[in-house]
Amino acid sequence: QLQLQASGPGLVKPSETLSLTCGVSGDSINSLYWSWIRQSPGKGLEWIGYIFFSGHTNYNPSFKSRVTISVDRAKNEFSLRLTSVTAEDTAVYYCARTGMRNWFDPWGQGTLVTVSS
Amino acid sequence: EIVMTQSPATLSVSPGERATLSCWASQSVTSNLAWYQQKPGQAPRLLIYGASTRATAVPVRFSGSGSGTEFTLTISSLQSEDFAVYYCQQYSNWPLTFGGGTKVEIK
Repeated sequence: QLQLQASGPGLVKPSETLSLTCGVSGDSINSLYWSWIRQSPGKGLEWIGYIFFSGHTNYNPSFKSRVTISVDRAKNEFSLRLTSVTAEDTAVYYCARTGMRNWFDPWGQGTLVTVSS
Repeated sequence: EIVMTQSPATLSVSPGERATLSCWASQSVTSNLAWYQQKPGQAPRLLIYGASTRATAVPVRFSGSGSGTEFTLTISSLQSEDFAVYYCQQYSNWPLTFGGGTKVEIK
């Protein structure tokens, strides 16, 4: 059974870089696409971007200048980096497998990241 | 960017009753629409894709319909475990976008 687990610091200072990792178990990351999605009270659910196991990425233009998604096939995980964070980046961050037609299934359990000094 | 709008924001329904949730797209997404269920403290769970195809293990009381810009999620007879927030998502155009959600609460 495919499971995803997001992990990383729960607190990031303004202007610094948010870094999260999503561990994939129960299946190889060498298939389909893998996304990061976030959820905040103010903006709801926002798709940040995805990566294919080959390294091909597609980002939401709202984040494009600040985001990098990478994959580590040896560790069966993928990662998110979001630079120059502000309080508006405070959210629960989810990782999810993304089907060929771009719906999300399944989702990891989510990790809360707070941006504060 | 395609804007997804859901209505109502909150729906109060008694157990056993039918619930009808609506989702509109700002432009046609043909049938490239998914529905998710989210319970408190949990991640969203895929219910429907392709506007009307139930995901694995989703009960038959959940059904989706619509195409183009208007979509509906129907829960035929609400069970206690169905009280949650429901989101629609379009995957017709980049970026992928979600609706604001409909909370289904106990009446």
